[in-house]
Amino acid sequence: DTGVSQDPRHKITKRGQNVTFRCDPISEHNRLYWYRQTLGQGPEFLTYFQNEAQLEKSRLLSDRFSAERPKGSFSTLEIQRTEQGDSAMYLCASSSPERNNEQFFGPGTRLTVL
Amino acid sequence: GNSVTQMEGPVTLSEEAFLTINCTYTATGYPSLFWYVQYPGEGLQLLLKATKADDKGSNKGFEATYRKETTSFHLEKGSVQVSDSAVYFCALVGRSGTYKYIFGTGTRLKVLA
Repeated sequence: DTGVSQDPRHKITKRGQNVTFRCDPISEHNRLYWYRQTLGQGPEFLTYFQNEAQLEKSRLLSDRFSAERPKGSFSTLEIQRTEQGDSAMYLCASSSPERNNEQFFGPGTRLTVL
Repeated sequence: GNSVTQMEGPVTLSEEAFLTINCTYTATGYPSLFWYVQYPGEGLQLLLKATKADDKGSNKGFEATYRKETTSFHLEKGSVQVSDSAVYFCALVGRSGTYKYIFGTGTRLKVLA
């Protein structure tokens, strides 16, 4: 069990650029979640996949955000035309069918938009 | 909708002091409750959990009891150490649907030697 991994760990970009983050869940986990954490706040839910199907998206996820999970393995989160308000820590978590209510979190990707 | 309220920090204690971090929740049904810890520069780690009323979660000297009557899940530790300095998050998850977590805002704990 290698844990949830995320790449990159840090990303600095200029306003208006596109960025893409990757999450590799624990291998047997079929559920994958993305959260966003801003300074001084708790993580907030963005979106959820069961296998390759995206089953729920938060209202926080504007049209500039898109997430995929091809083949039900790794997932990507893309932000188009980044804004300074997108600066945050983006967390990925996964869970297994047997333990649906316990999520394992990755180290996060810290995005800074200049 | 579901929500979690945590006491505001920062909380500053001397080593070996008693710790309480308050957490209350609002939820439909009977959620599972969690405490996560985030050390500087690291991701969220599960500290303890409780899945039904009156359950007590415990780990590394920390404890929390699921109190349905007061909708609370307060975190306690009898004697804190400098290494416990971190941010602590209370969270809940429902028993059906997407199982997405609802987190509190976090409480920063600083323990002084």
